[in-house]
Amino acid sequence: NAGVMQNPRHLVRRRGQEARLRCSPMKGHSHVYWYRQLPEEGLKFMVYLQKENIIDESGMPKERFSAEFPKEGPSILRIQQVVRGDSAAYFCASSPLRFSGETQYFGPGTRLLVL
Amino acid sequence: TQLLEQSPQFLSIQEGENLTVYCNSSSVFSSLQWYRQEPGEGPVLLVTVVTGGEVKKLKRLTFQFGDARKDSSLHITAAQPGDTGLYLCAGAENNAGNMLTFGGGTRLMVKP
Repeated sequence: NAGVMQNPRHLVRRRGQEARLRCSPMKGHSHVYWYRQLPEEGLKFMVYLQKENIIDESGMPKERFSAEFPKEGPSILRIQQVVRGDSAAYFCASSPLRFSGETQYFGPGTRLLVL
Repeated sequence: TQLLEQSPQFLSIQEGENLTVYCNSSSVFSSLQWYRQEPGEGPVLLVTVVTGGEVKKLKRLTFQFGDARKDSSLHITAAQPGDTGLYLCAGAENNAGNMLTFGGGTRLMVKP
């Protein structure tokens, strides 16, 4: 069974460019979560999506950040006009059910570096 | 917003020693999970505890959930260099949607 897949694993962007991060959940999982991890810190929740629906985006900055989970294909986290402060590791997790104590399985992350 | 405090932040010990990592909050969680993260990788789940007072063992690792479900501990017996890594606790709340709230992590180094 393939786990949660994320690509790219590493992404370098210059200030002002766009970053697109992709996440394919585990097979059979329809719930996707995005987290951000700054160096030497824990993970911070950004957004929770189901297929074609954003359920909770309370942790996502209101500007420049957007997320989607289309009916077909991976979930996408998009960061427009990146700034140096966006440099971080972005992790995607998936679960089979609405999370209520069930496990969230994490991908390997995308490390974004903004020059 | 819930806050999970982990202590210590850093821990460097010799192989064979025992250690305990603590995860504390002023609020109640419906469940708590412990993860281990290697450099350049995502967090890997070690255990989920859901019942107050619950104790789970995973080989040399013992996890405990406080009676009031506000705190948890991870105890490692006879640590080995392979235990080196970042240990993260994460709590889930019934009424806070689907997010996990993570502690700041404990970076453990076990020297041979």
